[in-house]
Amino acid sequence: QVQLVQSGDEVKKPGASVRVSCKASNFTFNNYYIRWVRQAPGQGLEWMGWIDSYNGKTEYAEKFQGRVTMTTDTSTSTAYLELRSLRSDDTALYYCAREREEMTPRGYYYYMDVWGKGTAVIVS
Amino acid sequence: IVMMQSPATLSVSPGERATLSCRASQTVYRHLAWYQQKPGQAPRLLIYGATTRATGVPARFSGSGSGTEFTLTVESLQSEDSAVYYCQQYSNWPRSSFGQGTKLEIK
Repeated sequence: QVQLVQSGDEVKKPGASVRVSCKASNFTFNNYYIRWVRQAPGQGLEWMGWIDSYNGKTEYAEKFQGRVTMTTDTSTSTAYLELRSLRSDDTALYYCAREREEMTPRGYYYYMDVWGKGTAVIVS
Repeated sequence: IVMMQSPATLSVSPGERATLSCRASQTVYRHLAWYQQKPGQAPRLLIYGATTRATGVPARFSGSGSGTEFTLTVESLQSEDSAVYYCQQYSNWPRSSFGQGTKLEIK
């Protein structure tokens, strides 16, 4: 079935970097965008950034500018999230999600319809 | 754009109706989605374009609103509807932001 399979959980020390992967299955990867969303323990959802799988264009939340890099490898249908200079408050569950675009008479709508199961990153 | 959801927690009896609110700090037109998240699970898309139900979402779930005020209504509540519900705006796409969530409890 259509799915996003994320890499395994990570434990990192403060100041280190982490790379999380998100592999797409059973859909044409290039036709969609990928969003990364994180969720700290007991907290809500936080948008980190977005990447166009087709051309690699990115948009990052201001909070993560300078510390985050999102990339894709179209040959393996995989998206990557790299977060550097990790701090204890980066401890969270990191999700990738497929975002699709729908054209309607009212304009373009966007929504995340397929989500990975999440990758836990613990900074300690 | 700051999204504010209310109430933080809502407790409703089975079979009743739940009404969840989401307010934007500036107009987001109809560029709003709703997600449901159950414990230990990834979020699930319910509504996009403020009012369009996603594939497979029961008709008990409906979205309304435009501009800065939005509502998610869940009719005939069932125990399985117990979850946290998030609104998300994307009017300045690809930038986006979420509300802080409303926890819906079934009495």
